[in-house]
Amino acid sequence: DGGITQSPKYLFRKEGQNVTLSCEQNLNHDAMYWYRQDPGQGLRLIYYSQIVNDFQKGDIAEGYSVSREKKESFPLTVTSAQKNPTAFYLCASSALATDTQYFGPGTRLTVL
Amino acid sequence: AQSVSQHNHHVILSEAASLELGCNYSYGGTVNLFWYVQYPGQHLQLLLKYFSGDPLVKGIKGFEAEFIKSKFSFNLRKPSVQWSDTAEYFCAVNAPYNQGGKLIFGQGTELSVKP
Repeated sequence: DGGITQSPKYLFRKEGQNVTLSCEQNLNHDAMYWYRQDPGQGLRLIYYSQIVNDFQKGDIAEGYSVSREKKESFPLTVTSAQKNPTAFYLCASSALATDTQYFGPGTRLTVL
Repeated sequence: AQSVSQHNHHVILSEAASLELGCNYSYGGTVNLFWYVQYPGQHLQLLLKYFSGDPLVKGIKGFEAEFIKSKFSFNLRKPSVQWSDTAEYFCAVNAPYNQGGKLIFGQGTELSVKP
């Protein structure tokens, strides 16, 4: 099965804890992305990576960090510095940066 | 900065009604345009896209969209909606020669179709 997997589907954390969201793709795509979805705000870009070992900040990168050590993996860490971390997080990938992006099923993070 | 605006936040229709969801963007250069759909409990899926060529684009499930460059618009249409079209719809734009092709999303339009 080809596609993008995100785990877990639901995640609960206490305030002040860092948490890492997983994103894996077996589509052999070069580019990967993290978005945050909040009701009425659409999707906002957190970080993106066009190639292994390189990534750029998106529009709302504060309080988040990423790594891209392998082509198929792009984990997102939500740090304690993120002031409002409760949200639905979506990972996407595309063959090239300008190509169609395909999305994973998402992780719903709730910080208690 | 680029932006994408979707005119309607929530649309309620009866089955068999016609649908048009508005989308406008603010960028004067070359753009790629997308409509994505998110059915309840499912992940975001591509409905259709426009990169170049015929400005009238046909997608899955009977949807189509028309790119009107002079109006900076990419409205989504369907002649007759079904209850199963209930979902949230997102318009998105990227500028392939600007800002590394970042995809900018509209706020989303929630469509509710009454049986």
